[in-house]
Amino acid sequence: DQQVKQNSPSLSVQEGRISILNCDYTNSMFDYFLWYKKYPAEGPTFLISISSIKDKNEDGRFTVFLNKSAKHLSLHIVPSQPGDSAVYFCAAEEGGSEKLVFGKGTKLTVNP
Amino acid sequence: GAVVSQHPSRVICKSGTSVKIECRSLDFQATTMFWYRQFPKKSLMLMATSNEGSKATYEQGVEKDKFLINHASLTLSTLTVTSAHPEDSSFYICSASFDGLTETQYFGPGTRLLVL
Repeated sequence: DQQVKQNSPSLSVQEGRISILNCDYTNSMFDYFLWYKKYPAEGPTFLISISSIKDKNEDGRFTVFLNKSAKHLSLHIVPSQPGDSAVYFCAAEEGGSEKLVFGKGTKLTVNP
Repeated sequence: GAVVSQHPSRVICKSGTSVKIECRSLDFQATTMFWYRQFPKKSLMLMATSNEGSKATYEQGVEKDKFLINHASLTLSTLTVTSAHPEDSSFYICSASFDGLTETQYFGPGTRLLVL
């Protein structure tokens, strides 16, 4: 039973356009959500997070939106840059447990 | 599909003892498995990469004699924390890849280690 789902294994976007990566979850006890970015041969690095008490968090070109009723969150990157090409993992944490549940990742390719 | 399990999910041990954590790919053959340590503020540190049947490749700063990794089969990798100390207390997460590419990884649920 996959609690965090990233249904798009890959996404291709033109440089300068918006990239939207989606993530759905099933566990209503999740209250903290994170996005990680991963380059080949490296471990995932933390990118941005959002608490369930918010519906939006912005950091530069990266914005995460949370729709609790739909159990859906998305990561928006605008404008997209070729250096953003990586695999993006969505993760969720339940009630301060520190235990992260990861999605399977979406590979983003930003074309020059 | 592509399910990865870890056992145990949490373990408490005394300082000086060794702890073994298992990572299994349940429905696929994992040519490569990765071990991460989760630090505060949710950062993940890649500890080592293991390929089935060969020695693990450790990241810089990770003591290979302290964190023993064995990838004996295509579905099982183990991490043994030897002579554990309280500072080793953390979440340890494994992931597995079946296509040999580090881009596609399936994460396990993590193991919480508490060393008293």
